This record gives sequence, structure tokens and C-alpha cells, in this order.
Amino acid sequence: SQTIHQWPATLVQPVGSPLSLECTVEGTSNPNLYWYRQAAGRGLQLLFYSVGIGQISSEVPQNLSASRPQDRQFILSSKKLLLSDSGFYLCAWSVSGGPNGYTFGSGTRLTVV
Amino acid sequence: GQNIDQPTEMTATEGAIVQINCTYQTSGFNGLFWYQQHAGEAPTFLSYNVLDGLEEKGRFSSFLSRSKGYSYLLLKELQMKDSASYLCAVNDGATNKLIFGTGTLLAVQP
Repeated sequence: SQTIHQWPATLVQPVGSPLSLECTVEGTSNPNLYWYRQAAGRGLQLLFYSVGIGQISSEVPQNLSASRPQDRQFILSSKKLLLSDSGFYLCAWSVSGGPNGYTFGSGTRLTVV
Repeated sequence: GQNIDQPTEMTATEGAIVQINCTYQTSGFNGLFWYQQHAGEAPTFLSYNVLDGLEEKGRFSSFLSRSKGYSYLLLKELQMKDSASYLCAVNDGATNKLIFGTGTLLAVQP
């Protein structure tokens, strides 16, 4: 069966510190991978998506970057966190985008202090 | 541009029926999704519509009109556990990106 792992579940980081969030998928190959951010009480904002190894598309200008070093690994990074980077980060994958939909990881609650 | 609109909040009574509307304007279309999200948790898939009409799944139904750029989620026999945010999302078709609305926070009262 297909599963998606995302860690850590919660993270408190000081302003100016680096960030690395990891997401891995099992049970499928060549998935489309996505990073979303959700501010408190808001909808999900698409940050990055990837259709293959090394292929990253950025949706909004920001302080974050993404990488896909392996087919089923997607990493969200920052060199220096800002207060505005706080939020709930969700990784997701899909194969066809159709009725099987998109599967989300359990999310990372990031608080920048 | 991409735009998906939903009401911000709704309130309904346990046992009743509630309809959550969603309108969208996107550059492409390859299906509309509804997700349920409880506070602090990841969204969970509820329904998918790609053709016009009604899809029914137990207490939940979803309707789509592509010509009007309109969908609704219908929840019947409301239970307290249905209190959550309901997210409307559209697959943009070109790259299978899933674009979300801001979500509707539903409060079910006794």
C-alpha cells in the first residue's frame, strides 16, 4: 500500500536558523510531490511541486526552497527562517491527479520565535 | 488567475442538512475535490467530481456544474463530529496542481 511519511510533527525554531523538513513516499514510483503551507484559519497555499527528480516548480516567491534528490523524497528548506514562515506544512503526493486524489502527510507545525 | 471561493464559516444543527458552496475560476480543470480537515490535522479526502452532476457517498454528496464553475458539498444527518473545516480544491489540469479555496469552518450545534 502507498504511504507518506512527514517529519517532524512539531518544530520550534528561532528566527534566522535553518530549516529542513523531509517527506518520503512508499509504495509508488514517479509520484507528483507537493509542499503546501497553511496559516492559522486559512486554506492551503501551494509552495512547490515536483514531477520528477530534480524538477522543482515554485509557486510563490518566498524564503523557502525545495529539493527532490530521490524519486520518493521531497525536502523543504530554508537558510534563515523568518517569523512569517510559521505555519502548518503539508506534503502531498499524487500519481494521476484523478479520483484517487492526493494523499497528504500528517503535517509539520512550525513555530518561528 | 486562479480563484476559488467558499463561505468562511457556517453553523448548523445536529441532525440537519447543510450545503457548502464553492465557486471557482481556474486556468484549467481536471476535477474538483472536497476535503475535510479537523483542527491540527491533515485534510482527508471526501469526494471527487470531474463530470457534471451529483456524486453520493453515504451522508455526503457533492455536485458539480462545470459551465457555472460551481460545486457544493451536501452533508446530511449532521453529527457533532462533522464540525471541521471543509476545503474545496481544483486540479488545474495542466500540471495536476491542486489549488485550494480558503475553506469553510462548519460548527455543528446540539
